[in-house]
Amino acid sequence: AQSVTQPDIHITVSEGASLELRCNYSYGATPYLFWYVQSPGQGLQLLLKYFSGDTLVQGIKGFEAEFKRSQSSFNLRKPSVHWSDAAEYFCAVGARGGADGLTFGKGTHLIIQP
Amino acid sequence: EPEVTQTPSHQVTQMGQEVILRCVPISNHLYFYWYRQILGQKVEFLVSFYNNEISEKSEIFDDQFSVERPDGSNFTLKIRSTKLEDSAMYFCASSDWGTTEAFFGQGTRLTVV
Repeated sequence: AQSVTQPDIHITVSEGASLELRCNYSYGATPYLFWYVQSPGQGLQLLLKYFSGDTLVQGIKGFEAEFKRSQSSFNLRKPSVHWSDAAEYFCAVGARGGADGLTFGKGTHLIIQP
Repeated sequence: EPEVTQTPSHQVTQMGQEVILRCVPISNHLYFYWYRQILGQKVEFLVSFYNNEISEKSEIFDDQFSVERPDGSNFTLKIRSTKLEDSAMYFCASSDWGTTEAFFGQGTRLTVV
């Protein structure tokens, strides 16, 4: 069965500092990987996705993520965070084809210090 | 930009009552989904729907749940007899053919009292 682990429940970062959120997955086939962001009271917004090809993917809002098959990881990074980045971040894994749902991690709550 | 819309944004219901949560997926999408997020927990897949029938469902999606696409635009989730533990945020999502990039709605917060 597939699973996603986000080992950090909370992360606090100073504004302007770099950020890395960790994600490890367990999946029997080639994974399709996603990062979503959820601001308070809002829905889930797709930040970026990895299907195949270049293992470093760029997303919206200056985020990027790197797929490392050998480590079963898909960590999210941003070189310089802004106060507006404070939110809940979810890593998710899915299968190709669309019918199967996504399996989400428990999320990482990002706090930005001024 | 096209988006998934859900109504209502918040619904309060008494235990044992039936509720219907409504969603309008993105118009050219073919797959539709419902997910649930209990407060403070992760987002969980409930069901996927394609070609007017359920494609996949999780063990959470038991007989008290049903989904329907009553017309060409709406996609609904019905909970027949709500329980306290059904209190959660319910997200609708849709995706295009050949990809699992799902676009999520803003959610409906269901509170069962």
